[in-house]
Amino acid sequence: EVVMTQSPATLSVSPGERATLSCRASQSIRDNLAWYQQKPGQAPRLLIFGASTRATGIPARLSGSGSGTEFTLTISSLQSEDFAVYYCQQYNIWPYTFGQGTKLEI
Amino acid sequence: QVQLQESGPGLVKPSETLSLTCTVAGYSISSGSYWGWIRQPPGKGLEWIGNIYHSGNSYYNPSLKSRVTISVDTSKNHLSLKLRSVTAADAAVYYCARDPGGGWSDFWGQGTLVTVSS
Repeated sequence: EVVMTQSPATLSVSPGERATLSCRASQSIRDNLAWYQQKPGQAPRLLIFGASTRATGIPARLSGSGSGTEFTLTISSLQSEDFAVYYCQQYNIWPYTFGQGTKLEI
Repeated sequence: QVQLQESGPGLVKPSETLSLTCTVAGYSISSGSYWGWIRQPPGKGLEWIGNIYHSGNSYYNPSLKSRVTISVDTSKNHLSLKLRSVTAADAAVYYCARDPGGGWSDFWGQGTLVTVSS
């Protein structure tokens, strides 16, 4: 099983600032990585797939990068609606696996 | 717009079988895509349970494979999850989701909380 490790566990950032979230895979997953946002009491929401392709309706201030084992989700100019938990997910090898999440807090 | 809705008992006794249904609206399951079940214990992360294609080909997480069955009913446009011999460790919010074929999930149900208790 591919182990996904996210860092940091919690990231404290002020509105208007930039946030950088990291995700590392235990083996190469090429660019088969997705990012999701989850708010309390809600289902995850797809943000990024293919490591860098934004899903429908996702603003350009969210961007994904990386390939192989190291990936980054960057949110420029944080807005109030961005404060949530973010998960990465690999879909290169079954079973698909998620990271443990990064909580982005004010 | 694709919409998914999970349904089923919110309370299951230990050693019994958890049974959930996911009804899909706005998209015909028989048109394609993969359909998956993912769970999230309270306050914890996400775990993939399994996927099924509209043809019925299924893929299960090895950690649960011996206890899980996922099926699809194209006539009712829904998919089902059965998890046998549940324990307290199976208590979670269970989500169904659509995988358009690439491995990511673009549409999710709202989730249903299942508690395991006698």
